Amino acid sequence: DGGITQSPKYLFRKEGQNVTLSCEQNLNHDAMYWYRQDPGQGLRLIYYSQIVNDFQKGDIAEGYSVSREKKESFPLTVTSAQKNPTAFYLCASSIVWGSSTEAFFGQGTRLTVV
Amino acid sequence: DQQVKQNSPSLSVQEGRISILNCDYTNSMFDYFLWYKKYPAEGPTFLISISSIKDKNEDGRFTVFLNKSAKHLSLHIVPSQPGDSAVYFCAAATGNEKLTFGTGTRLTIIP
Repeated sequence: DGGITQSPKYLFRKEGQNVTLSCEQNLNHDAMYWYRQDPGQGLRLIYYSQIVNDFQKGDIAEGYSVSREKKESFPLTVTSAQKNPTAFYLCASSIVWGSSTEAFFGQGTRLTVV
Repeated sequence: DQQVKQNSPSLSVQEGRISILNCDYTNSMFDYFLWYKKYPAEGPTFLISISSIKDKNEDGRFTVFLNKSAKHLSLHIVPSQPGDSAVYFCAAATGNEKLTFGTGTRLTIIP
């Protein structure tokens, strides 16, 4: 079955620790995205990658880092510099970069920093 | 600066009736619009889209209407079913740019 897999579904970390969220897709999509969802704020774009070995900052990239060494993988690291990391994180992919194709989302990872 | 707005955080509709979810946008350059449905603790799933060259797109029980002059988008679900209870996000994009999402509307279908 083709799709996007995010792991883990729930993640707990102590304040000050870096944590990496996994996102893997077997849809052969070129573009991948990371969004963050907070109550009342919709989905905000953290980082995106149009193609392997390339990535760009989104609207709220501060305190986050990504890599795109393989087409199917786009891990997100939440660093200790992120002031409010507790949130629901969503990874998505689309066939190509651009507005004419919809994005497919993973199941999300809920990160709680204590 | 919220370019895509969903002013109703929640909506309750009787089963079998029509659900109308609204979305307003400010960027006149947006040329592609989408609706996503999201259940709790899951990722959003794509529902329906419309390009700016159209004013209506229909897919089964779901119809999206676009009023470019009013910069307004709406999603009609008819008849509404209990499984339609979810949070609905509208999203918009321009040219080759990223999707911008609204804040979402929680739809509750009352049996």
